[in-house]
Amino acid sequence: NAGVTQTPKFQVLKTGQSMTLQCAQDMNHNSMYWYRQDPGMGLRLIYYSASEGTTDKGEVPNGYNVSRLNKREFSLRLESAAPSQTSVYFCASSDLTGSNQPQHFGDGTRLSIL
Amino acid sequence: QKEVEQNSGPLSVPEGAIASLNCTYSDRGSQSFFWYRQYSGKSPELIMFIYSNGDKEDGRFTAQLNKASQYVSLLIRDSQPSDSATYLCAVGLDRGSTLGRLYFGRGTQLTVWP
Repeated sequence: NAGVTQTPKFQVLKTGQSMTLQCAQDMNHNSMYWYRQDPGMGLRLIYYSASEGTTDKGEVPNGYNVSRLNKREFSLRLESAAPSQTSVYFCASSDLTGSNQPQHFGDGTRLSIL
Repeated sequence: QKEVEQNSGPLSVPEGAIASLNCTYSDRGSQSFFWYRQYSGKSPELIMFIYSNGDKEDGRFTAQLNKASQYVSLLIRDSQPSDSATYLCAVGLDRGSTLGRLYFGRGTQLTVWP
């Protein structure tokens, strides 16, 4: 079972470049999430989508945009990358809308901005 | 502010001992509690969840919840070197704008030495 699949796994960008991180889940989950993880900072929520067609800001949305393309796919876009966005990005999904459901994580995208 | 606090560690225990990991949370409305294990360079992996006061056991793992004290813990019995990882506590609420979101602590690093 693939679960949550993220692409790419690694990426190096120059300041000012744009890119889109892709996430797809095959578990028929309603909710999807984007986090970033920095040393000593834990997991911080960037954006989430409680259900297809909806998106909401998390703790650190500035500099990012998201698209819930369909029930399976949730993409994260950096329009003009900055060194402060160097991080590990995780996508996650959960079954039903509501916090009583555990979230399942993809393998992550390691992004460096030079 | 919804805070989830964990001792950052590192917590070091000998093989075969009981490892005790602690987590406190600030919002009394929290309803769901999760423990994730994260190996270095890998994604978080769900190992336990608990919703009601008391203990929940799964193999060598026991989660303990005390809502009155706003405290959740994870005990690992017969610790093995393969348990060496960072353990993330996550807390969920089920109301308003927080619906579906989990709030993560910064994690406790556990080392089990042979």
